[in-house]
Amino acid sequence: IAGITQAPTSQILAAGRRMTLRCTQDMRHNAMYWYRQDLGLGLRLIHYSNTAGTTGKGEVPDGYSVSRANTDDFPLTLASAVPSQTSVYFCATEIHNEQFFGPGTRLTVL
Amino acid sequence: GENVEQHPSTLSVQEGDSAVIKCTYSDSASNYFPWYKQELGKGPQLIIDIRSNVGEKKDQRIAVTLNKTAKHFSLHITETQPEDSAVYFCAASMNSGGYQKVTFGTGTKLQVIP
Repeated sequence: IAGITQAPTSQILAAGRRMTLRCTQDMRHNAMYWYRQDLGLGLRLIHYSNTAGTTGKGEVPDGYSVSRANTDDFPLTLASAVPSQTSVYFCATEIHNEQFFGPGTRLTVL
Repeated sequence: GENVEQHPSTLSVQEGDSAVIKCTYSDSASNYFPWYKQELGKGPQLIIDIRSNVGEKKDQRIAVTLNKTAKHFSLHITETQPEDSAVYFCAASMNSGGYQKVTFGTGTKLQVIP
């Protein structure tokens, strides 16, 4: 693993289904973030984690949950997907203010 | 909360010309201003950043300026090349409640015409 990996790369999901987006890093950065990127709106923060065992809400947390059981993994769960959650999701790590982004997951909710 | 505005939304330049992207922010507590380049199908990548105690920073063909009084900062790319074509995002960042709160601009799609 080199940097940040996200899975799946893309997914089409029926509304009402549960979905977990995976994020794994090998840089041992304490801080991790989940953003969604929508056309014309830039990147918006969903949830963050300063260190393993702690999480916090960002700008648009409703409908999403996260966990941080260890330093490397930071999964994002949609408990019951809705069409407005169609977006590109980016996981990021941060050290000394600099954020590093994963390749993203393109999610379509029908 | 912080609000970051970015202009223009699209920019076309001839290869070799310069490109300038401008951003404004609203919260004087912001103290770190990164710029990201995003290529199609990839995540944003940091290309240059500037902290609030610095007015200008340069890295080869890329430079960033910051005017704290006016709350605006700009990205300058000189001698543009086709591989500079991408979407560029500015951001304003501050420490908020124990995490690094980053507010992004809405992006500028730069096209460099060979």
